Amino acid sequence: EIVLTQSPDTLSLSPGERATLSCRAAQTIANNFLAWFQQKPGQAPRLLIYTASTRATGIPDRFSGSGSGTDFTLTISRLEPEDFAMYYCHQYGHSPSTFGQGTKLEI
Amino acid sequence: QVQLVQSGAEVKRPGASVKVSCKTSGYTFTDYYVYWVRQAPGQGLEWMGWINSKNGDKYYAQKFQGRVTMTTDTSITTGYMEMTRLTPDDTAIYYCARGVGAPGMHWGQGTLVTVSS
Repeated sequence: EIVLTQSPDTLSLSPGERATLSCRAAQTIANNFLAWFQQKPGQAPRLLIYTASTRATGIPDRFSGSGSGTDFTLTISRLEPEDFAMYYCHQYGHSPSTFGQGTKLEI
Repeated sequence: QVQLVQSGAEVKRPGASVKVSCKTSGYTFTDYYVYWVRQAPGQGLEWMGWINSKNGDKYYAQKFQGRVTMTTDTSITTGYMEMTRLTPDDTAIYYCARGVGAPGMHWGQGTLVTVSS
């Protein structure tokens, strides 16, 4: 299975700042089938980005995804208070699908 | 609107089985797969597998093969995930999600399964 490694484990920033989260795959992700999810305590994950760079319906444009092959990035251009949460990358290009271990974005 | 509503919390003894349901509405059930993902307390997300609601094809992560069975009942647009031979390590929130190729925008609220003697 493909191991996804996210960095950093924890990112401490302030509202208004720019956040850059990384996801590195142990091998090339086919078709850039890489998604990003946000999860807040007590809630189900929320899909933000799929196929590496396509925003899901209703996701604000301050969220953007980029990358290809083995290196992917989620960028939040200007942090809002509601953006502080856990973020997971997820590859679905190879079976079995796998998740990264997560990055905690904290104030 | 699309909804996935899961069954309530369960407490099981080690060695027992559990069956979690995921009642869907608001879309054509057979147009989407049902995915299952779990999350142990304080831990990350773990992908378990999927079932094709149209033809019943399934794929399970190797870790769960032999212990997990995913099914659907198209007549009541409901998906199920049954796990046998439970251990305390199976204590987790179990989520269902709708998608094609991968879990998408619509998830159930999660079902807490606690395994304890």
